[in-house]
Amino acid sequence: GEDVEQSLFLSVREGDSSVINCTYTDSSSTYLYWYKQEPGAGLQLLTYIFSNMDMKQDQRLTVLLNKKDKHLSLRIADTQTGDSAIYFCAESQNRDDKIIFGKGTRLHILP
Amino acid sequence: EAQVTQNPRYLITVTGKKLTVTCSQNMNHEYMSWYRQDPGLGLRQIYYSMNVEVTDKGDVPEGYKVSRKEKRNFPLILESPSPNQTSLYFCASSSDGGANVLTFGAGSRLTVL
Repeated sequence: GEDVEQSLFLSVREGDSSVINCTYTDSSSTYLYWYKQEPGAGLQLLTYIFSNMDMKQDQRLTVLLNKKDKHLSLRIADTQTGDSAIYFCAESQNRDDKIIFGKGTRLHILP
Repeated sequence: EAQVTQNPRYLITVTGKKLTVTCSQNMNHEYMSWYRQDPGLGLRQIYYSMNVEVTDKGDVPEGYKVSRKEKRNFPLILESPSPNQTSLYFCASSSDGGANVLTFGAGSRLTVL
């Protein structure tokens, strides 16, 4: 079945760039998402990308998609303490389909 | 404010004592879903509902029931809770058929002794 894999932890120094990686198995995935979960809160959609795109940029966030390798990454420029959270990669085949989440990457910011 | 509201936020109960976690959304969303989040396991879908009176099992439905009598409400019922249902539960809703932009509640942390 479909699977989404991501590393569980990442530590980055404040001011550096964070890169969170994700791989997925379903080659027919159409929508790929990044959700952010801050401590004590629910998940919030950060950004999403369609499978016909290679890159999407939104202020400090850059999403890169390598469809051939089924690899998705989220780059956060100039990482701040407020970026400390769990980041979930997710995919779905269509708008009406079930969304499959990865296990989440906990981003820890070092001073 | 557009939101998904869950209650209670925290609950400690004992094995076998029936409980209900309520979920309400004020965005007129058709789609609603329940997830549980456990360390090392990520988010797992329990049940979902595409619209009123339509519910379907997710990946881990055992031990849970749901109902969707009204569009805004989607309660999660644990008829006879067991310690392995100790978890953090999230309700979510979406205006689209099943995926895309999910709006999550703040979570309900349940402990079953």
